[in-house]
This record gives sequence, C-alpha cells and structure tokens, in this order.
Amino acid sequence: DQQVKQNSPSLSVQEGRISILNCDYTNSMFDYFLWYKKYPAEGPTFLISISSIKDKNEDGRFTVFLNKSAKHLSLHIVPSQPGDSAVYFCAASYSGAGGTSYGKLTFGQGTILTVHP
Amino acid sequence: DAEITQSPRHKITETGRQVTLACHQTWNHNNMFWYRQDLGHGLRLIHYSYGVQDTNKGEVSDGYSVSRSNTEDLPLTLESAASSQTSVYFCASSETRGGWETQYFGPGTRLLVL
Repeated sequence: DQQVKQNSPSLSVQEGRISILNCDYTNSMFDYFLWYKKYPAEGPTFLISISSIKDKNEDGRFTVFLNKSAKHLSLHIVPSQPGDSAVYFCAASYSGAGGTSYGKLTFGQGTILTVHP
Repeated sequence: DAEITQSPRHKITETGRQVTLACHQTWNHNNMFWYRQDLGHGLRLIHYSYGVQDTNKGEVSDGYSVSRSNTEDLPLTLESAASSQTSVYFCASSETRGGWETQYFGPGTRLLVL
C-alpha cells in the first residue's frame, strides 16, 4: 500500500517557467511533509518542509503548498533553472503521541524534473 | 563541518556472503536510519535507531540487521546476500525535535549481488 504517491514519473519545463511537482498521501496521521532533491550518484538533499499547521511555506524560489482536505501537497519552483534538473522526492512523517515517532519518513516514488535552457 | 559518510561507495559481492555497509555521522544526532532505493519504489526504510542500543525494524527489514554501539555509527549487515538486495543504500540521521525532524542523508552505497 503506497501511502505517499507521486503520480508523474517525469516533468519537463523550459528555463524561467514554473515547475509544479505534485504529491498525494493517504494516511491522515501524517503531519510533517518534506521535499528532497537528488542528483545522480548523490544522496537526497533536503529542500523544504511544511507542517500540518500551515498551508504554505516559502524559501526563495521554492514554495510548498499543503491541502490537508485533499491530502495533497505540491512544490512550486519559480523561475526554474537548468541546475534544478534532478529527481524530486516528497516524504511524509507522523510525529506520534508526544512527538515519539522521531520523524520516520515515508517516501513517494520520485519525479524526474528536466529544465531545458 | 559535520557530515554523514558511507563506505564503501560501491560493492560487488556474491550470493550468500555476509556484507556490512558502514554509516558514520558527526552531527551528534540521536536518530539514524537506513533506506534502500529501487526504481519505482522511492526510498524504503530498512532499519532505524533512536539512540545507543536501540534498533527497530522498518518496512523492508527481512535479511538485514543493524547494531548501535555508539552515537556516530549504524552499520547495516546483510546476513546472507541475495540478488534481490541489489540496490542503492542510503543512511540518514536526524536530531530529535518532537516529531518534526528533518533527515540528512549520506552519499549512498551501490551494492551489486551476483
């Protein structure tokens, strides 16, 4: 049972345009969501996160939106740059009673983003 | 600078051999995790530890074991390597922040089981 899903295996955009990566989850207990970026032959790098008490978090060119009722989050990259070409993973965690879950992450399958010059 | 390292970066082994992958972090994080990455599955949790002497099974723990004798290291052992364990393995660590932790990943170990 895939609790976190990224239904688009790949996305191609032009440099300077907006990239929108989507992620859906099924477990309503998830309360913290993260996006990671991964280049070939490297480990995932943390990009941005959002807790369930917010619906938007922004960091420079990156904005994450959370729609709890739809169990959906998205990552917007504006403007997109060729260096943004990578695999993007969304991940979700559940803090547990009193924060005892210590952030075990459940990952989506990843979306390959290609930004063309 | 604090970091998380993995060794070896590449490993080729034969079916039935015991293999140990090393993970070392200098963040002084309590929490450490092992994942495997396979096409179509994203990253899946193998084992994790919340501190010294603590270990827990993750989603895909069969055939793997870990031990935590100090804060810095969480080695992953494949007891008897199988071809299905050919994968890329990532170690991660996080500090304890009441459930909203961000994990930081090592560079990965690519394992091929022949």
